Amino acid sequence: GAVVSQHPSWVICKSGTSVKIECRSLDFQATTMFWYRQFPKQSLMLMATSNEGSKATYEQGVEKDKFLINHASLTLSTLTVTSAHPEDSSFYICSARDGTLTYNEQFFGPGTRLTVL
Amino acid sequence: GNSVTQMEGPVTLSEEAFLTINCTYTATGYPSLFWYVQYPGEGLQLLLKATKADDKGSNKGFEATYRKETTSFHLEKGSVQVSDSAVYFCALSDVNFGNEKLTFGTGTRLTIIP
Repeated sequence: GAVVSQHPSWVICKSGTSVKIECRSLDFQATTMFWYRQFPKQSLMLMATSNEGSKATYEQGVEKDKFLINHASLTLSTLTVTSAHPEDSSFYICSARDGTLTYNEQFFGPGTRLTVL
Repeated sequence: GNSVTQMEGPVTLSEEAFLTINCTYTATGYPSLFWYVQYPGEGLQLLLKATKADDKGSNKGFEATYRKETTSFHLEKGSVQVSDSAVYFCALSDVNFGNEKLTFGTGTRLTIIP
């Protein structure tokens, strides 16, 4: 099946710094990518949807200026957490949709655990 | 809005036991329903899906039937194996402005002991 990778798999940073997380589709072109956030023992919450070459669409309550999303190519999307604070600590998961498939299945990355000290 | 409620875990079963993980949903339209599985250290993988009422999704011995009358999509397997140990997520999709958005349940951790 289609493979999606994320880098890094985990990151620890100091409060006030910015962190960039990469999401790559390894063997297909992802016309749409999704970013989710997962708190312990809670479900995945969709943060934003990004289409290649256009601005991301953010879900209600998600700060656009804090969570910068760039989908510059058909195989790469990045999420940058700007001026991170401890409350941003979470598990971030991306998924990608293969636009060539008849059915719009999302393929998920393994996630990135962010810890802000 | 849409929501998914699934059985809280963790669930621990012996090998060859019968498995049921309950899932109910609330949706305004006619969503598609999914079960995803997440093995340790890996991303979520689609396990099975059903796109309309009375459809039965099946894969790897797992089954789930889309029950519109009870708004349910319970996951079942007749005889579980140790390799089925994972976290299982129930989800629904709702097409909104051409983008299919997934709404997930909280996940159920399943552990199978030999």
